[in-house]
Amino acid sequence: AQSVTQPDIHITVSEGASLELRCNYSYGATPYLFWYVQSPGQGLQLLLKYFSGDTLVQGIKGFEAEFKRSQSSFNLRKPSVHWSDAAEYFCAVGALQGNEKLTFGTGTRLTIIP
Amino acid sequence: DTAVSQTPKYLVTQMGNDKSIKCEQNLGHDTMYWYKQDSKKFLKIMFSYNNKELIINETVPNRFSPKSPDKAHLNLHINSLELGDSAVYFCASSLRTGYFDEQYFGPGTRLTVT
Repeated sequence: AQSVTQPDIHITVSEGASLELRCNYSYGATPYLFWYVQSPGQGLQLLLKYFSGDTLVQGIKGFEAEFKRSQSSFNLRKPSVHWSDAAEYFCAVGALQGNEKLTFGTGTRLTIIP
Repeated sequence: DTAVSQTPKYLVTQMGNDKSIKCEQNLGHDTMYWYKQDSKKFLKIMFSYNNKELIINETVPNRFSPKSPDKAHLNLHINSLELGDSAVYFCASSLRTGYFDEQYFGPGTRLTVT
């Protein structure tokens, strides 16, 4: 069965600084990988996804993620964070095993300080 | 226009009661989902429906029964509520099943069982 690990529960970054959120997955075949963001009191929104091809994926709001098969990682990056980026970030892996199912990590809470 | 809406937003009830949460999407999507997010923000799929047909049924107590009267609606009925059912329940929809299309989430229903 697939699984996702987000090692950082909480990260604090200064506004304007760069950001990297870590995600490691476990899945036997080529994974479908996703990053979702959850703003306070809201549902989740897709930032980006990787299915195949170029391992550097561009998403919305200036985010990007890089798929590294050798490290089983799919880390999310942003060169310069804004206060509005404060939210909970979830990495997810998808598996087509008879049916389509997303398995989410436990999330990383991002705090932005002025 | 709200893409995926849920009612109610908050639900406080006592143990043993029966309650329902309603979900509607106006995106014309074929697939709808129910997720449960616990107090530690862990998000886990419960059910998915494709065009009114049950696709995913995770190991959820049979006190939980989803109902899809049409492909735009997926309601969740919970019998004999227990303290452990307290969580935020998210409805989501996607264009089709089997392709890991982007999932659009509703704002969530916070259920508190006392």
